[in-house]
Parts: sequence; structure tokens; C-alpha cells
Amino acid sequence: DVKVTQSSRYLVKRTGEKVFLECVQDMDHENMFWYRQDPGLGLRLIYFSYDVKMKEKGDIPEGYSVSREKKERFSLILESASTNQTSMYLCASIEDRRRYSYNEQFFGPGTRLTVL
Amino acid sequence: AQSVTQPDIHITVSEGASLELRCNYSYGATPYLFWYVQSPGQGLQLLLKYFSGDTLVQGIKGFEAEFKRSQSSFNLRKPSVHWSDAAEYFCAVGGTRYNQGGKLIFGQGTELSVKP
Repeated sequence: DVKVTQSSRYLVKRTGEKVFLECVQDMDHENMFWYRQDPGLGLRLIYFSYDVKMKEKGDIPEGYSVSREKKERFSLILESASTNQTSMYLCASIEDRRRYSYNEQFFGPGTRLTVL
Repeated sequence: AQSVTQPDIHITVSEGASLELRCNYSYGATPYLFWYVQSPGQGLQLLLKYFSGDTLVQGIKGFEAEFKRSQSSFNLRKPSVHWSDAAEYFCAVGGTRYNQGGKLIFGQGTELSVKP
């Protein structure tokens, strides 16, 4: 089975701190995604990566950056955390970027981040 | 613009009753369509998907969904709900153009509560 793991289930940080959220997948998937999930808004795409060192902005990239140094690992970085970044963050991966989008995305359990 | 709408934010049904969760999409062509479920404290799990062929799709846990092109809908159904079905349900649409990287657009989610 595909496994997507996230480094923390719960995280509490202070305003202005630099925050790293880590995601690892074990199925050699090419594409990886970071979403934030807020009540009533569903999942919104922050960034995605289709290869090592390759990334593209999603719908809400402001205040975030990402890093993908190895194929299995995709990190989300909050350069200076703010209270409006308090949210649930979900990582996902999908195989084979060269094909159509009918492959399913596999999700990690999520990290609930609170910024005080 | 591509979008997904789930009109019902919260639905409550009695155990054993039938269930229908609504999903409407806006897309320039026939998209790929997905239903995911998120149990409390968990990541998202794929219930079913549609990309071509028979418009009635069977999924896991006894769920099915019907693609209706004329109504731009992909409603999720279950004939008899179990208490363990209480969760949040997300409809998503994926692009049909080559090399879109598996990106999905999610609806706002519908939270399902099950009464004993």
C-alpha cells in the first residue's frame, strides 16, 4: 500500500517563526502536493511538485515556499508564520505526471498547525 | 473557470436510511471526477472515481455515484448508511488534458452525521 507520512500531527508555533512541514511518500511517485484545509473552503492547493527540484504555485502560494530535494520528500515552509496560517495541512502524492489525471491522489494524515 | 460545488455543508441521516450527497461541477469538457472521504483525524481516502464508460460507478464501502453530463453532476449515494460512515466527504474534479500533473479541484465538503 502507498504510504504518505507527515512529520507531525499537531504543531503549535508563534507568530514570526519559521515553520517546516515534512511529507514523505514511499511509492516512488513523481508528483506531490501541499493543500490547506479550512472549514467551508474544502482543500486548496498551495504548491505542487512534479519532479525533484521542480515546483509550481497552486491557488494560494502567498506566505509559503516548498522544497523537494529528493523524490520521496516534499517540504512546506512558512517563512514567517502568521495567525491566518492556522489550518490543517495535507500532503498528497500521485504517480506518473506524464499521464492524465485519472490516477488517484494518496493523502497523508494531515498536520494541524496552530499559530499563536 | 473550473469549479466544484457541494451545496450541502452538513447532512444528518438515520442509520439504515439512504444517502445522497450532491456534487456539481463546472468544466470545459468531461472531467475526471472523484469522491474522497475523510474520517475524523485522518487523511482523505478515495471512495470512487469516474473517467469514462459506464456513468454509474461503484466504489468501496458500498458507495456508488452517477455521472450526469446534462446536469454537470456527480452525486454520491449509499442505500443504507452505517454509523461508521459519519465523516466528511469531498467531491473533486481533475483535468482531462495531457500532463496536467494530476491536479484536482475540490468542493467545499459535506459533513455527514449519522443518528442511531
